Amino acid sequence: GAGVSQSPSNKVTEKGKDVELRCDPISGHTALYWYRQSLGQGLEFLIYFQGNSAPDKSGLPSDRFSAERTGGSVSTLTIQRTQQEDSAVYLCASSLLTGGSYNEQFFGPGTRLTVL
Amino acid sequence: GNSVTQMEGPVTLSEEAFLTINCTYTATGYPSLFWYVQYPGEGLQLLLKATKADDKGSNKGFEATYRKETTSFHLEKGSVQVSDSAVYFCALSDHDTGRRALTFGSGTRLQVQP
Repeated sequence: GAGVSQSPSNKVTEKGKDVELRCDPISGHTALYWYRQSLGQGLEFLIYFQGNSAPDKSGLPSDRFSAERTGGSVSTLTIQRTQQEDSAVYLCASSLLTGGSYNEQFFGPGTRLTVL
Repeated sequence: GNSVTQMEGPVTLSEEAFLTINCTYTATGYPSLFWYVQYPGEGLQLLLKATKADDKGSNKGFEATYRKETTSFHLEKGSVQVSDSAVYFCALSDHDTGRRALTFGSGTRLQVQP
């Protein structure tokens, strides 16, 4: 079946502009995660959605970052007033979530964001 | 808080050499442990996992054993191939505390030469 997809694959923007990054998780996966991969910081957790529960936003680096997950499926990560330090690869992952056990997270190919 | 420390790279080996990539962790609860691999130009893939102490995860000839006493999860392979060249990430999920997101190490780049 189809894996996690993300769009766009590359985004170049000017400092101060807003950007939206999209993630389509695997159908039926109730959990969705956003991570950021950058040279200086490695792989960092940003935000986690699980079903209809309130999202875990504890990884968002500033209030310029926000995310939505509509209808329990597609998610959009929005970065307002982008800064050069926002340049990174933004990764989305999804997983099934049953009981208290771990379920494998499947990652998308990422969106490479470059802020000029 | 939770953290993962893995050895700095790059690691350069000849084909058929033995590989060890060290990984140690700190966690609030009782974590599950993972190795993810990122091949050039591809996304992150789960390589192997272990969910409790003394479990051994294995896949594609790679192995790692969950050592609670030393808080370690070292990755090993007896004979590497050129196709194993990739970046390897050690990670944990501390879902006992409700935190299901992964905490990653910094990654170790492996280059295998023919």
